[in-house]
Amino acid sequence: DTEVTQTPKHLVMGMTNKKSLKCEQHMGHRAMYWYKQKAKKPPELMFVYSYEKLSINESVPSRFSPECPNSSLLNLHLHALQPEDSALYLCASSQDSGRTMNTEAFFGQGTRLTVV
Amino acid sequence: RKEVEQDPGPFNVPEGATVAFNCTYSNSASQSFFWYRQDCRKEPKLLMSVYSSGNEDGRFTAQLNRASQYISLLIRDSKLSDSATYLCVVKRFGGGTSYGKLTFGQGTILTVHP
Repeated sequence: DTEVTQTPKHLVMGMTNKKSLKCEQHMGHRAMYWYKQKAKKPPELMFVYSYEKLSINESVPSRFSPECPNSSLLNLHLHALQPEDSALYLCASSQDSGRTMNTEAFFGQGTRLTVV
Repeated sequence: RKEVEQDPGPFNVPEGATVAFNCTYSNSASQSFFWYRQDCRKEPKLLMSVYSSGNEDGRFTAQLNRASQYISLLIRDSKLSDSATYLCVVKRFGGGTSYGKLTFGQGTILTVHP
Protein backbone atom coordinates (compact mmCIF):
# COMPACT_ATOMS: atom_id res chain seq x y z
CA ASP A 1 0.00 0.00 0.00
CA THR A 2 1.82 3.10 -1.23
CA GLU A 3 -0.97 5.49 -0.60
CA VAL A 4 -1.50 8.71 1.28
CA THR A 5 -5.18 9.42 1.81
CA GLN A 6 -6.53 12.90 2.40
CA THR A 7 -10.04 13.95 3.38
CA PRO A 8 -12.04 15.82 2.40
CA LYS A 9 -11.16 16.26 -1.28
CA HIS A 10 -12.98 19.59 -1.44
CA LEU A 11 -13.87 22.04 1.32
CA VAL A 12 -15.65 25.37 1.27
CA MET A 13 -15.57 27.28 4.53
CA GLY A 14 -16.44 30.71 5.83
CA MET A 15 -13.95 32.97 7.51
CA THR A 16 -15.47 32.29 10.93
CA ASN A 17 -15.60 28.51 10.57
CA LYS A 18 -13.38 25.88 12.18
CA LYS A 19 -12.55 22.85 10.06
CA SER A 20 -9.92 20.12 9.92
CA LEU A 21 -8.07 18.42 7.11
CA LYS A 22 -7.06 14.81 7.63
CA CYS A 23 -4.22 12.73 6.23
CA GLU A 24 -3.47 9.05 6.71
CA GLN A 25 -0.70 6.71 5.59
CA HIS A 26 0.00 3.08 6.42
CA MET A 27 3.46 2.75 4.92
CA GLY A 28 5.24 3.07 8.25
CA HIS A 29 6.71 6.39 7.18
CA ARG A 30 8.12 8.45 10.05
CA ALA A 31 8.12 11.86 8.38
CA MET A 32 4.89 13.61 7.37
CA TYR A 33 4.46 16.97 5.70
CA TRP A 34 1.86 19.62 4.96
CA TYR A 35 2.30 21.65 1.79
CA LYS A 36 0.23 24.50 0.36
CA GLN A 37 -0.05 24.96 -3.40
CA LYS A 38 -1.56 27.97 -5.14
CA ALA A 39 -2.55 27.82 -8.81
CA LYS A 40 0.38 27.72 -11.22
CA LYS A 41 2.89 27.67 -8.33
CA PRO A 42 4.93 24.85 -6.83
CA PRO A 43 4.05 23.33 -3.46
CA GLU A 44 5.32 25.34 -0.50
CA LEU A 45 6.28 23.61 2.73
CA MET A 46 4.20 24.45 5.80
CA PHE A 47 5.04 21.85 8.46
CA VAL A 48 7.19 18.75 8.94
CA TYR A 49 6.54 16.09 11.56
CA SER A 50 9.23 13.58 12.35
CA TYR A 51 8.44 10.68 14.66
CA GLU A 52 5.17 12.44 15.59
CA LYS A 53 6.93 15.61 16.72
CA LEU A 54 6.70 18.95 14.97
CA SER A 55 10.14 19.53 13.49
CA ILE A 56 9.62 22.40 11.06
CA ASN A 57 7.12 25.24 11.05
CA GLU A 58 7.81 27.48 8.06
CA SER A 59 6.49 30.59 9.81
CA VAL A 60 2.91 29.55 9.14
CA PRO A 61 0.19 31.80 10.65
CA SER A 62 -1.39 30.45 13.82
CA ARG A 63 -4.77 30.11 12.11
CA PHE A 64 -3.24 26.86 10.76
CA SER A 65 -2.64 24.35 13.55
CA PRO A 66 -1.11 20.95 12.79
CA GLU A 67 -1.53 17.85 14.91
CA CYS A 68 -0.05 14.37 14.69
CA PRO A 69 -2.16 12.02 16.86
CA ASN A 70 -0.11 8.95 15.92
CA SER A 71 2.42 7.75 13.40
CA SER A 72 -0.21 7.19 10.70
CA LEU A 73 -2.31 10.32 11.03
CA LEU A 74 -1.73 13.99 10.41
CA ASN A 75 -4.34 16.71 10.85
CA LEU A 76 -4.43 20.37 9.93
CA HIS A 77 -6.86 22.43 11.97
CA LEU A 78 -8.17 25.57 10.33
CA HIS A 79 -9.68 28.57 12.09
CA ALA A 80 -10.48 32.12 11.01
CA LEU A 81 -8.96 31.69 7.57
CA GLN A 82 -8.80 34.41 4.95
CA PRO A 83 -9.84 34.17 1.28
CA GLU A 84 -6.15 34.25 0.29
CA ASP A 85 -5.72 30.94 2.14
CA SER A 86 -7.72 29.26 -0.62
CA ALA A 87 -5.39 26.70 -2.18
CA LEU A 88 -4.67 23.00 -2.62
CA TYR A 89 -3.37 21.53 0.64
CA LEU A 90 -1.16 18.51 0.13
CA CYS A 91 -0.08 15.97 2.68
CA ALA A 92 3.02 13.87 2.06
CA SER A 93 5.02 11.21 3.84
CA SER A 94 8.47 9.70 3.47
CA GLN A 95 10.45 6.92 5.07
CA ASP A 96 13.19 9.11 6.54
CA SER A 97 14.27 6.91 9.40
CA GLY A 98 17.77 6.52 10.80
CA ARG A 99 18.98 4.20 8.04
CA THR A 100 16.97 5.33 5.06
CA MET A 101 17.29 9.06 4.66
CA ASN A 102 17.32 9.81 0.97
CA THR A 103 13.85 8.62 0.14
CA GLU A 104 11.16 10.16 -1.96
CA ALA A 105 7.94 11.61 -0.62
CA PHE A 106 4.52 10.27 -1.48
CA PHE A 107 1.73 12.79 -1.82
CA GLY A 108 -1.97 12.54 -1.13
CA GLN A 109 -4.49 13.81 -3.66
CA GLY A 110 -4.90 17.00 -1.69
CA THR A 111 -7.78 18.99 -0.28
CA ARG A 112 -8.94 21.84 -2.46
CA LEU A 113 -9.91 24.55 0.02
CA THR A 114 -12.00 27.59 -0.78
CA VAL A 115 -12.46 30.27 1.88
CA VAL A 116 -15.47 32.52 1.33
CA ARG B 1 18.10 33.68 -5.38
CA LYS B 2 15.65 30.78 -5.21
CA GLU B 3 16.94 27.54 -3.72
CA VAL B 4 15.82 25.56 -6.77
CA GLU B 5 15.49 27.11 -10.22
CA GLN B 6 14.10 25.54 -13.37
CA ASP B 7 13.67 26.46 -17.01
CA PRO B 8 10.52 28.59 -17.06
CA GLY B 9 9.03 26.94 -20.14
CA PRO B 10 6.43 26.31 -21.34
CA PHE B 11 7.63 23.70 -23.79
CA ASN B 12 5.39 22.81 -26.71
CA VAL B 13 6.71 19.87 -28.71
CA PRO B 14 5.34 17.44 -31.30
CA GLU B 15 4.92 13.77 -30.57
CA GLY B 16 8.19 11.90 -30.98
CA ALA B 17 10.35 14.88 -30.08
CA THR B 18 13.16 14.85 -27.55
CA VAL B 19 12.92 17.50 -24.84
CA ALA B 20 15.32 18.42 -22.04
CA PHE B 21 14.63 20.20 -18.78
CA ASN B 22 17.31 21.80 -16.62
CA CYS B 23 17.40 22.68 -12.96
CA THR B 24 19.96 24.27 -10.66
CA TYR B 25 20.09 24.33 -6.88
CA SER B 26 21.89 26.76 -4.64
CA ASN B 27 22.49 24.82 -1.42
CA SER B 28 25.51 22.54 -1.70
CA ALA B 29 24.28 20.63 1.38
CA SER B 30 21.42 19.21 -0.67
CA GLN B 31 21.55 15.44 -0.59
CA SER B 32 18.75 13.92 -2.67
CA PHE B 33 17.28 14.90 -5.97
CA PHE B 34 14.08 13.98 -7.74
CA TRP B 35 11.90 14.76 -10.70
CA TYR B 36 8.19 14.81 -9.98
CA ARG B 37 5.38 15.06 -12.46
CA GLN B 38 2.15 16.91 -11.71
CA ASP B 39 -0.93 16.69 -13.90
CA CYS B 40 -3.50 19.48 -13.85
CA ARG B 41 -5.36 19.60 -10.52
CA LYS B 42 -3.62 16.46 -9.29
CA GLU B 43 -0.93 15.75 -6.73
CA PRO B 44 2.78 15.54 -7.59
CA LYS B 45 3.95 12.03 -8.35
CA LEU B 46 7.51 10.77 -8.38
CA LEU B 47 8.85 10.36 -11.89
CA MET B 48 12.36 9.33 -10.91
CA SER B 49 15.12 9.84 -8.41
CA VAL B 50 18.35 11.36 -9.73
CA TYR B 51 21.74 9.82 -8.99
CA SER B 52 25.25 11.12 -9.56
CA SER B 53 25.98 8.32 -11.99
CA GLY B 54 22.95 9.22 -14.07
CA ASN B 55 19.97 6.95 -14.41
CA GLU B 56 17.50 5.93 -17.06
CA ASP B 57 13.94 4.65 -16.92
CA GLY B 58 12.60 3.83 -20.35
CA ARG B 59 12.35 7.07 -22.31
CA PHE B 60 13.46 9.17 -19.35
CA THR B 61 17.07 9.94 -18.43
CA ALA B 62 18.12 11.97 -15.42
CA GLN B 63 21.56 13.43 -14.73
CA LEU B 64 23.09 15.09 -11.68
CA ASN B 65 26.24 17.19 -11.59
CA ARG B 66 27.04 17.94 -7.95
CA ALA B 67 30.01 20.14 -8.80
CA SER B 68 27.84 22.42 -10.93
CA GLN B 69 24.74 21.90 -8.75
CA TYR B 70 22.79 21.05 -11.88
CA ILE B 71 20.10 18.47 -12.58
CA SER B 72 18.59 17.52 -15.92
CA LEU B 73 15.77 15.41 -17.30
CA LEU B 74 15.67 14.16 -20.88
CA ILE B 75 12.49 12.77 -22.40
CA ARG B 76 12.86 10.89 -25.67
CA ASP B 77 10.09 10.02 -28.12
CA SER B 78 7.55 12.26 -26.40
CA LYS B 79 4.00 10.99 -26.04
CA LEU B 80 0.79 12.96 -25.69
CA SER B 81 0.51 11.50 -22.19
CA ASP B 82 3.79 13.18 -21.19
CA SER B 83 1.98 16.53 -21.13
CA ALA B 84 2.25 17.73 -17.51
CA THR B 85 4.22 20.02 -15.23
CA TYR B 86 7.65 18.66 -14.33
CA LEU B 87 8.98 19.64 -10.93
CA CYS B 88 12.62 19.51 -9.92
CA VAL B 89 12.82 18.63 -6.21
CA VAL B 90 15.79 18.86 -3.88
CA LYS B 91 15.96 17.29 -0.43
CA ARG B 92 18.17 18.54 2.38
CA PHE B 93 18.59 17.27 5.90
CA GLY B 94 19.33 19.42 8.90
CA GLY B 95 22.29 18.49 11.07
CA GLY B 96 21.43 15.58 13.32
CA THR B 97 17.87 15.42 12.09
CA SER B 98 16.01 12.40 10.81
CA TYR B 99 13.78 14.21 8.38
CA GLY B 100 14.39 15.89 5.09
CA LYS B 101 13.08 19.17 3.76
CA LEU B 102 11.83 18.99 0.17
CA THR B 103 12.12 22.15 -1.90
CA PHE B 104 10.42 22.41 -5.27
CA GLY B 105 11.46 24.31 -8.35
CA GLN B 106 8.75 26.43 -9.94
CA GLY B 107 7.97 23.70 -12.47
CA THR B 108 8.12 23.50 -16.25
CA ILE B 109 4.98 22.96 -18.26
CA LEU B 110 5.28 20.49 -21.12
CA THR B 111 2.64 20.17 -23.81
CA VAL B 112 3.07 17.42 -26.40
CA HIS B 113 0.86 17.90 -29.46
CA PRO B 114 -0.05 15.53 -32.31
